[in-house]
Amino acid sequence: AQKITQTQPGMFVQEKEAVTLDCTYDTSDPSYGLFWYKQPSSGEMIFLIYQGSYDQQNATEGRYSLNFQKARKSANLVISASQLGDSAMYFCAMREGWNAGGTSYGKLTFGQGTILTVHP
Amino acid sequence: GAVVSQHPSRVICKSGTSVKIECRSLDFQATTMFWYRQFPKKSLMLMATSNEGSKATYEQGVEKDKFLINHASLTLSTLTVTSAHPEDSSFYICSARRRHNLSGNTIYFGEGSWLTVV
Repeated sequence: AQKITQTQPGMFVQEKEAVTLDCTYDTSDPSYGLFWYKQPSSGEMIFLIYQGSYDQQNATEGRYSLNFQKARKSANLVISASQLGDSAMYFCAMREGWNAGGTSYGKLTFGQGTILTVHP
Repeated sequence: GAVVSQHPSRVICKSGTSVKIECRSLDFQATTMFWYRQFPKKSLMLMATSNEGSKATYEQGVEKDKFLINHASLTLSTLTVTSAHPEDSSFYICSARRRHNLSGNTIYFGEGSWLTVV
């Protein structure tokens, strides 16, 4: 069963505007973490933002914020004031908690990814 | 910050040969490292979990005799693609979990390795 779902294969946004990338997840573990990564064409995985399942506040990192709707199991990424350099593939990922299995803690399950294109 | 180095970044090898990819945590100890494979414009798929001092745990469908993983120290894991074939051509990327950290962002990725088998 798909645990992480990104329903937007591609998104377009005008420079300086905000964009929301969708992510829904499924887990029965009460302790989990949600990540967003940016992957440019070079392939490196750039960590953007993290949200823990017990975190009360939505995570923010500069222009990135995570809209965490726990009851709806969604963790959308909001990028404000888009820049041309934001054009890349974006992945949502989930890490399940310690209860999911000791030494494999840290294993990430990734969504399908969303290709974001920022237009000038 | 925590740094994970992966080498080589690009490698071309002949069909039938073996190629080794290294994943090294430079400034922290990593009890556990993970190896992922990614096809163009696709998601990352976990291949195996590498634990220091013990055998790797492979995901279903991954041939452990083809993708040999060794985690000999707390800072180094290697992935060896044995008897490589063109269908093994892919992007391989590792991540390392920082030891003793159980919360927050404790996972650090290497730069990835592009493997082309000709």
